[in-house]
Amino acid sequence: EDKVVQSPLSLVVHEGDTVTLNCSYEVTNFRSLLWYKQEKKAPTFLFMLTSSGIEKKSGRLSSILDKKELFSILNITATQTGDSAIYLCAGAFGGTSYGKLTFGQGTILTVHP
Amino acid sequence: DSGVTQTPKHLITATGQRVTLRCSPRSGDLSVYWYQQSLDQGLQFLIHYYNGEERAKGNILERFSAQQFPDLHSELNLSSLELGDSALYFCASSVGVLGGTGETQYFGPGTRLLVL
Repeated sequence: EDKVVQSPLSLVVHEGDTVTLNCSYEVTNFRSLLWYKQEKKAPTFLFMLTSSGIEKKSGRLSSILDKKELFSILNITATQTGDSAIYLCAGAFGGTSYGKLTFGQGTILTVHP
Repeated sequence: DSGVTQTPKHLITATGQRVTLRCSPRSGDLSVYWYQQSLDQGLQFLIHYYNGEERAKGNILERFSAQQFPDLHSELNLSSLELGDSALYFCASSVGVLGGTGETQYFGPGTRLLVL
């Protein structure tokens, strides 16, 4: 069964710190890996990664995928209190998982002023 | 705002009852996905419809059913409700079939269901 595991489960930092969130996966047919940010309600899309070694960047957030080692990281630099949220990693896989996202447990990030 | 709409926002009902959750995908999206999010289970895939046809099934109970109509909106029906069905139910949409093209899913605001 395809699996996505995130670490850490929870992280508390101060404003200005840099954080790295981890996502590893075990799959048979990899298609893409997606990162979402969930604040109060719906997950909002951050990045989609399909190729190894290519960094996606949006402001202070960046993400990279390593298809050989089957993991991805999400980096947030100069964190702000508005970055406090649950960060979800999800895999879009083929085979029996085709047509759905498999989510990790999420990392709860809390940024204190 | 993702463009995906869900109604109602909140729903409080009693055990044994039946409810219907409704989702309208983004304009142009043919795929609709349903997810359940509870505190202990995280975000769990329930079912996927593409252009009216069921394409993938996840951890969906037999008491739950869904359909996608010709106008592409979808409904998730939950019957014989139990306390453990209390959760946030999300609908998401994408243009095609996720996994085939590596495209993104966009999530609606969710329906919070509380079963008393």
